[in-house]
Amino acid sequence: DQQVKQNSPSLSVQEGRISILNCDYTNSMFDYFLWYKKYPAEGPTFLISISSIKDKNEDGRFTVFLNKSAKHLSLHIVPSQPGDSAVYFCAASDPSNTGKLIFGQGTTLQVKP
Amino acid sequence: DAGITQSPRYKITETGRQVTLMCHQTWSHSYMFWYRQDLGHGLRLIYYSAAADITDKGEVPDGYVVSRSKTENFPLTLESATRSQTSVYFCATTGDYNSPLHFGNGTRLTVT
Repeated sequence: DQQVKQNSPSLSVQEGRISILNCDYTNSMFDYFLWYKKYPAEGPTFLISISSIKDKNEDGRFTVFLNKSAKHLSLHIVPSQPGDSAVYFCAASDPSNTGKLIFGQGTTLQVKP
Repeated sequence: DAGITQSPRYKITETGRQVTLMCHQTWSHSYMFWYRQDLGHGLRLIYYSAAADITDKGEVPDGYVVSRSKTENFPLTLESATRSQTSVYFCATTGDYNSPLHFGNGTRLTVT
């Protein structure tokens, strides 16, 4: 059963507008979440993370919000740029302290000029 | 150069053949992982290793074998390749279980 879910396979936004990518999880033991960005023919690269003791973490144009009661997190990109076009993966750190990450299915973001 | 490298980048093999995907990291990180990426499934963990000579199964280990005799290398072997193992394979590493993973650029494997 998928413990981390990204229900939107794709998202298209206009340059300069906000992109909002969503992620849901089922395991209440998850306490550390990450977003990765992936360009074609490259490996995923770490973007931003959030611990469950916070509800928001910001890094430049990227902000991640965590709603623990709803088991939901979102990534906001403001303003969106064409170079942000990529696949975005949400991930949760396995609570067993093994370093394992459990990934969602990914959302393909297209930012149109 | 420092970092994590995977080889080969592309591989075509036939059903039933054995194939080994290589992963090498220069950071001396303890933790290493193998994931496969498939449409609709995201990244799924095949095997991982917490240190040399310590390996464990992930979510989809069937048909795969790993070894870790040296900290820097973590090869993944498909003992008898099947078409369902056609995928993009990513190796990753981290020095701490609570730190982000660093991924290699992947190996695209096609089993005909």
